[in-house]
Amino acid sequence: KAGVTQTPRYLIKTRGQQVTLSCSPISGHRSVSWYQQTPGQGLQFLFEYFSETQRNKGNFPGRFSGRQFSNSRSEMNVSTLELGDSALYLCASSLFASGGPPDTQYFGPGTRLTVL
Amino acid sequence: AQKVTQAQTEISVVEKEDVTLDCVYETRDTTYYLFWYKQPPSGELVFLIRRNSFDEQNEISGRYSWNFQKSTSSFNFTITASQVVDSAVYFCALSEYSTSGTYKYIFGTGTRLKVLA
Repeated sequence: KAGVTQTPRYLIKTRGQQVTLSCSPISGHRSVSWYQQTPGQGLQFLFEYFSETQRNKGNFPGRFSGRQFSNSRSEMNVSTLELGDSALYLCASSLFASGGPPDTQYFGPGTRLTVL
Repeated sequence: AQKVTQAQTEISVVEKEDVTLDCVYETRDTTYYLFWYKQPPSGELVFLIRRNSFDEQNEISGRYSWNFQKSTSSFNFTITASQVVDSAVYFCALSEYSTSGTYKYIFGTGTRLKVLA
């Protein structure tokens, strides 16, 4: 079974621009979560989508948004990029039945975003 | 308040030594889940183990073993006879029920393990 894929793997943008990152979960997985990883803050939860609905959201400004499509693929968007947005963005997928115990999250290789 | 504490920021050992990575968690829930992940230099987090709060049995998988103690809120990870390929950042994570009606993951800050040849 193919793992979680993320595109692109590397991205360089300038301040003020916007960026869209893509995540394809493991086949059959319906939940997708996004995390930001930086050396100073560690792994921080951005949001989680299940069946095209945002179920959880972390403490990030509104510049960070996401969506999930009917095939469970997800995108996250960051508008008006700031230097501090430079990070590794990780996507994780899980089976996750609604209301049940948490399924294990399986992570993709991440997208490394550099903002100049 | 930090819910998952990995006090060891970085550990260096010589190959074949045993090493234990500590994880202390904090939760008020009676039902929760604990995980360990490995992040090699490539960046992808690799799932190692999942444990629920009702299962305190220790687990061994090859050179890896985990010690779960509810009394001390700890879920420690031991690598026996470490190898250079074990060099990575290891994350402990807690999943507990959130106010949104679902479980949320909380990660520790990670422990960087360097195994020297």
